[in-house]
Amino acid sequence: DSGVTQTPKHLITATGQRVTLRCSPRSGDLSVYWYQQSLDQGLQFLIQYYNGEERAKGNILERFSAQQFPDLHSELNLSSLELGDSALYFCASSSWGTKGEKLFFGSGTQLSVL
Amino acid sequence: QKEVEQDPGPLSVPEGAIVSLNCTYSNSAFQYFMWYRQYSRKGPELLMYTYSSGNKEDGRFTAQVDKSSKYISLFIRDSQPSDSATYLCAMIGYSSASKIIFGSGTRLSIRP
Repeated sequence: DSGVTQTPKHLITATGQRVTLRCSPRSGDLSVYWYQQSLDQGLQFLIQYYNGEERAKGNILERFSAQQFPDLHSELNLSSLELGDSALYFCASSSWGTKGEKLFFGSGTQLSVL
Repeated sequence: QKEVEQDPGPLSVPEGAIVSLNCTYSNSAFQYFMWYRQYSRKGPELLMYTYSSGNKEDGRFTAQVDKSSKYISLFIRDSQPSDSATYLCAMIGYSSASKIIFGSGTRLSIRP
């Protein structure tokens, strides 16, 4: 168990809809990352938050947004969903220590857009 | 050119064989190197973490970094069917402002 909690584990919805994915980082971790992984594809970095503020943006669509709350949990909002948005969405948390940064991943949310 | 290159495989070897997985990179600023193991439809799991050049051993796993060649390797000894997974390399620079970069992953299958 990595200590990173993601809910829900599975989500089935229709095109055009909006969903929210939730992530609770490991205790003490300030950074939260969101990744998308389509079938047989690598991890695509979406966005990173650090202590409530956006730190870095990757290939995140304008239809997608995220935020990190004061209690450090994070939510990824996906709107106007398309079939191509079907993927595994991972959250990871990290802490920067004296020997660099280690990412710990949650078990993911499987999103199916029908 | 991608910052990190990793052969996607698939790589299939018999049980008990030594497995060698590799990544090359182009950014000399990378200082920390990681290997993640990902089972099908599960989250990546941190397997090995190394700093700078050299070797690090943990049980059947050895991570090797050659910064002069910009090349990292993961060796698995006495491979087991339970090692069948996708292995992703990852690397990051020296400061918290750096961005972690993942390889695309190598799919490994260990035949009983």
